[in-house]
Amino acid sequence: QKEVEQDPGPLSVPEGAIVSLNCTYSNSAFQYFMWYRQYSRKGPELLMYTYSSGNKEDGRFTAQVDKSSKYISLFIRDSQPSDSATYLCALGPYSSASKIIFGSGTRLSIRP
Amino acid sequence: DAGVTQSPTHLIKTRGQQVTLRCSPISGHKSVSWYQQVLGQGPQFIFQYYEKEERGRGNFPDRFSARQFPNYSSELNVNALLLGDSALYLCASSLVQENQPQHFGDGTRLSIL
Repeated sequence: QKEVEQDPGPLSVPEGAIVSLNCTYSNSAFQYFMWYRQYSRKGPELLMYTYSSGNKEDGRFTAQVDKSSKYISLFIRDSQPSDSATYLCALGPYSSASKIIFGSGTRLSIRP
Repeated sequence: DAGVTQSPTHLIKTRGQQVTLRCSPISGHKSVSWYQQVLGQGPQFIFQYYEKEERGRGNFPDRFSARQFPNYSSELNVNALLLGDSALYLCASSLVQENQPQHFGDGTRLSIL
């Protein structure tokens, strides 16, 4: 079993829809949760990061962490074609950046 | 401000050759990490350097090595290249060693023939 599971998609939704992207994890040592967006032929771009359970909002993006269920989500409101990309979750223990584990990424396509 | 810069952007090598990839972190960032990203997968951790010392190593063979210079830039070296080393090699920097988000460059795409 992988430490981090992420549905690879592809996920295709119409413009303006609310998108839900998810990851599950098995290691309770993960205390640090990140979401990255990666466009084709580019490096991952940090969207959001959080250390705690609950919701964190930034513009159209909301990150949700449920440590009891070992489940994290990223919600995108009012989705735009420019949001079409691969979304990667990344998790790590509190004490070491060197042990960050990435999900395999979900390919998202927003249809105009 | 400039982000993380990596060079070269693309590289083609043959099996058995050696390659050196370079990374300049964001100004002020002292931690540099290297990742390998195979097509369709998430990045996989190779090394972390902080204050010029190795602080973490992933599950990669000894053919992979790295170093960090006094100006915090870094090099990743891979010897005896194999076809399976074909991937996007990403460098990420952060302010300190831990508890800070990492910012990535656009990577070096390495193709092995």
